[in-house]
Amino acid sequence: GAVVSQHPSWVICKSGTSVKIECRSLDFQATTMFWYRQFPKQSLMLMATSNEGSKATYEQGVEKDKFLINHASLTLSTLTVTSAHPEDSSFYICSARDPGQIYTEAFFGQGTRLTVV
Amino acid sequence: GENVEQHPSTLSVQEGDSAVIKCTYSDSASNYFPWYKQELGKRPQLIIDIRSNVGEKKDQRIAVTLNKTAKHFSLHITETQPEDSAVYFCAASLSGGSNYKLTFGKGTLLTVNP
Repeated sequence: GAVVSQHPSWVICKSGTSVKIECRSLDFQATTMFWYRQFPKQSLMLMATSNEGSKATYEQGVEKDKFLINHASLTLSTLTVTSAHPEDSSFYICSARDPGQIYTEAFFGQGTRLTVV
Repeated sequence: GENVEQHPSTLSVQEGDSAVIKCTYSDSASNYFPWYKQELGKRPQLIIDIRSNVGEKKDQRIAVTLNKTAKHFSLHITETQPEDSAVYFCAASLSGGSNYKLTFGKGTLLTVNP
């Protein structure tokens, strides 16, 4: 089946630094990818929709200058958490749906556990 | 935008019993409703989905029902097993197409006691 791969699985960074997370679709070309944030024992909150070749669409309340999204190719989207602070510590997970299917499930990456110290 | 409510937030059952999780959605235009299972520290995995032109779908021990008029859908797991223990999320989307986002419910922690 279709696979979405996310890297890294976990990262620890110092407060004030930036962290880049990669999301790749391995079995299909994804014109659209989705970035979620998940707090412990909570739901998946959509942060932004990543669009290949154009600007990302951010959900209300998400700072676009803090969470930079780049979708430069049909198989790769990146999320950069800039000037990270402890409150940015969370589980970030991406997903993509196969454009070759009329009704397609969302395939998720493994997720990235970010800890800002 | 779409809002998905999910109940209960936690559910504990004995092995072999049935489990039912219910969700409601707000946007009558939504037409694709998947259910995901997420084990601790892992990615969500699709377990079953239903389209708005279908009222019920079954896959072995798992079934989903959809009431478009009432805007609610439910997950039914029969003959539960300890390995069914996980967090279950319902979701809704305006379309089954790849460009459409999913809006998730808050999740249900299912515990199946041996």
